[in-house]
Amino acid sequence: QTVVTQEPSFSVSPGGTVTLTCGLRSGSVSSSYYPSWYQQTPGQAPRTLIYNTNTRSSGVPDRFFGSILGNKAALTITGAQADDESVYYCVLFMGSGISLFGGGTKLTVL
Amino acid sequence: EVQLLESGGGLVQPGGSLRLSCAASGFIFSSYGMSWVRQAPGKGLEWVSLINSGSRTFYADSVKGRFTISRDNSKNTVDLQMNSLRAEDTAVYYCARRGPCASVCTYYFESWGQGTLVTVSP
Repeated sequence: QTVVTQEPSFSVSPGGTVTLTCGLRSGSVSSSYYPSWYQQTPGQAPRTLIYNTNTRSSGVPDRFFGSILGNKAALTITGAQADDESVYYCVLFMGSGISLFGGGTKLTVL
Repeated sequence: EVQLLESGGGLVQPGGSLRLSCAASGFIFSSYGMSWVRQAPGKGLEWVSLINSGSRTFYADSVKGRFTISRDNSKNTVDLQMNSLRAEDTAVYYCARRGPCASVCTYYFESWGQGTLVTVSP
């Protein structure tokens, strides 16, 4: 069974930089998995941040940056703000129409 | 502006059936793949199903054989027929538009509805 891994939680200071990662329990993540990233606050629908590894969705500030770091996809947030406090999900496209979500990373800004 | 509006959620007994619908507007519906993504209470997001622009369908293993996705391009709607429902199917179900697939496809969820709650309980 393929499992997409994310850190369960992370904290960052206001104004700081944080990098969240998205991996595979077995194997490496590359751009061939078309990694995408989503932000969700409680009670709200997800918001699309990044797709195709590093393309920002419309209206997403350039404080959000997607990349491949080593064998994982990564989401870097610079100049962290209070309203960045959310759960961040990555998705990998596994082929044959199938997408897999990671378990999400709860980001705390404090 | 892209709008996705889900409907059809509610309370259903285990073993029962429910049909969700998503009404789309603001884009050329027939050109896009559409997905359902769900979120159990207090849990993460889970991809459920995809119907591409050519009406080819795909399912997560957890729902294969029980759920059926379909689309009506004349009505700009995508439906999810859910049969043999289980307690673990309890979730908010989101309709999501896939990214464009022109000369090159983009494999992500570009737009989201607000979701509809399905509760499976005796």
